[in-house]
Amino acid sequence: AAGVIQSPRHLIKEKRETATLKCYPIPRHDTVYWYQQGPGQDPQFLISFYEKMQSDKGSIPDRFSAQQFSDYHSELNMSSLELGDSALYFCASSLGLRLNYEQYFGPGTRLTVT
Amino acid sequence: SQQGEEDPQALSIQEGENATMNCSYKTSINNLQWYRQNSGRGLVHLILIRSNEREKHSGRLRVTLDTSKKSSSLLITASRAADTASYFCATDAGDDMRFGAGTRLTVKP
Repeated sequence: AAGVIQSPRHLIKEKRETATLKCYPIPRHDTVYWYQQGPGQDPQFLISFYEKMQSDKGSIPDRFSAQQFSDYHSELNMSSLELGDSALYFCASSLGLRLNYEQYFGPGTRLTVT
Repeated sequence: SQQGEEDPQALSIQEGENATMNCSYKTSINNLQWYRQNSGRGLVHLILIRSNEREKHSGRLRVTLDTSKKSSSLLITASRAADTASYFCATDAGDDMRFGAGTRLTVKP
């Protein structure tokens, strides 16, 4: 069965650069969530989209922005990267909003900021 | 403190034994999910239990939910070395998903 696809799987950037992470949800899923997991930390919720509109916002820095496109894929744009942005970024998808719907995570994008 | 706190933090058992992990939370929830994470890999969704459900099974997994005690348990029966991973519970209270610190399970061959 198709799963959530994230690209790239690994990304190395320098401080103050920008990065774009992409997430392709499971077919027919209309909701996408982004999580950030720092080294040794719990995954932290960043932001979510439902039907191309932002549905929820967590601890996403102002330097980051995200959107969901007409084909339901989502992109997380990160600017003015800092060393502390080095983390594993997960995307998850579900059919409908989170309420009582299972959420499926992608394999993550590992971002290293040097 | 955070929603979805698991205990124990670490668990080490022998292959074939059962492993029980618990999760407690503080606020009312819509559902509770258990995830597994292997080292360096993404979270893998295991099972979701809704607030109006008390028990759910999936293969060797059994999840219970006690909303009166605001707690859930994940039981893995007949454990295998391949079950070695971190297991997270995550609660959905309608605002966002809250992941707990996880239980690191080690199954020794």
